[in-house]
Amino acid sequence: EPEVTQTPSHQVTQMGQEVILRCVPISNHLYFYWYRQILGQKVEFLVSFYNNEISEKSEIFDDQFSVERPDGSNFTLKIRSTKLEDSAMYFCASSEARDRGGDTQYFGPGTRLTVL
Amino acid sequence: LAKTTQPISMDSYEGQEVNITCSHNNIATNDYITWYQQFPSQGPRFIIQGYKTKVTNEVASLFIPADRKSSTLSLPRVSLSDTAVYYCLVGDPFSGGYNKLIFGAGTRLAVHP
Repeated sequence: EPEVTQTPSHQVTQMGQEVILRCVPISNHLYFYWYRQILGQKVEFLVSFYNNEISEKSEIFDDQFSVERPDGSNFTLKIRSTKLEDSAMYFCASSEARDRGGDTQYFGPGTRLTVL
Repeated sequence: LAKTTQPISMDSYEGQEVNITCSHNNIATNDYITWYQQFPSQGPRFIIQGYKTKVTNEVASLFIPADRKSSTLSLPRVSLSDTAVYYCLVGDPFSGGYNKLIFGAGTRLAVHP
C-alpha cells in the first residue's frame, strides 16, 4: 500500500538554526499539507499546497516557515530560524484530486523536531 | 466548519464492541463525517467516512442518524492495539480539494486486557 514517508524521524537543532523537514507524498496525489502537534496537544494545520503554490496557511505559518516542492517527488517544510516553541511533531499529508472520491488525507509518520 | 463534541476518554476491554459518539449539531448539507485514528508518536490514520445511514469497512462501522447531528463510530471486538486517540471531523471534502483538517482533542480509547 502506498504511503507518505518523512525524513528525518527526529531532528535536534539549536535555537536560531534553519531546519528542513522532508516528505515524499503518495505518488499520484496532488494536494499536500503540513500539520504539527506539540506534545500533548491537538494536531494543528499549518499549510496546504497545490499546483506549486500555497493554497491556504494558518496563523502559525508565519514568515519563518516556507514550503517547496523542489522536484516531482519531495515536499519540504523549512523553518528559517527555529524557536523553542517550534518543538513538535510535524506531519506531512497528501490527498488525491477531489473529483476522485473526496479529500481523504494520508499522513506520514512524522518528524519530531526538538529545538534546544 | 461544524464544531464537533466527543468524549474525552473511554475505557474498554479486549473483545468488546466500542461505540464512540460524536455530536455535530451544526453540520452543513454538504458536510461529510470522517474519523481518524492516531497512535502515540504517529500520524493520524483515516478510518472511515460517511454522509448518511451506515458505512462499514474492514476496520469499523459508522452510524449516522437521519438528522445527521451526531454519528457513532463502532469498533467491533477491540484489541489492545486499538488503544489510540479517535478524532471525529466534519467538513465538505469536495469543496476545494485542499481542505485543512481541523482536529479537536479526540477521544482517548484505552483497551484493557
